[in-house]
Amino acid sequence: DQQVKQNSPSLSVQEGRISILNCDYTNSMFDYFLWYKKYPAEGPTFLISISSIKDKNEDGRFTVFLNKSAKHLSLHIVPSQPGDSAVYFCAATGPGANNLFFGTGTRLTVIP
Amino acid sequence: NAGVTQTPKFQVLKTGQSMTLQCAQDMNHEYMSWYRQDPGMGLRLIHYSVGAGITDQGEVPNGYNVSRSTTEDFPLRLLSAAPSQTSVYFCASSYTLTSGSRGSYNEQFFGPGTRLTVL
Repeated sequence: DQQVKQNSPSLSVQEGRISILNCDYTNSMFDYFLWYKKYPAEGPTFLISISSIKDKNEDGRFTVFLNKSAKHLSLHIVPSQPGDSAVYFCAATGPGANNLFFGTGTRLTVIP
Repeated sequence: NAGVTQTPKFQVLKTGQSMTLQCAQDMNHEYMSWYRQDPGMGLRLIHYSVGAGITDQGEVPNGYNVSRSTTEDFPLRLLSAAPSQTSVYFCASSYTLTSGSRGSYNEQFFGPGTRLTVL
């Protein structure tokens, strides 16, 4: 049973506009959430994370929002650039744990 | 630092053959793990280790063995390959929660992956 879900397999956005990637989770014990970015033929690379004690974390063009009551998080990329085209994975983990539970990924295409 | 390295990059096996996927890291990370990535399934944890001599099962451990004799190396063994094990395999490492400098969670660094096909 998938505990972390990304219901949009793909997203296309014009360069310069905002990209919003969504993620839902079912396990209320998850307390830390991460986004990873993956280019073809490479391993995932860490992008940004958020603890459950926060509802927003910002790093440059990337912002992650967490809504604990809805068990939902989103990644905003503003402005989107062609180099952002990749597959984005949402991941979650619980207290005292290193193990990650991943979503199925969303392929973002930024159109120049 | 080379980070996390994996060999081989590609491998084709016949059903029933055995092989070992190699993973090494040079960051002195205590935690290492193996994931497999399948279409529509995301990444799923196979086995993990929190230090030399300690291993445990993840979500999908069947058909795989691991060992951790050193901090640096964490090989994944397929004892008798099956077509269902056709996948891309990623190794990852990080500090554990009791050490490192990132606070409540330490990001995992991933290797470049091994694409395995079992015929």
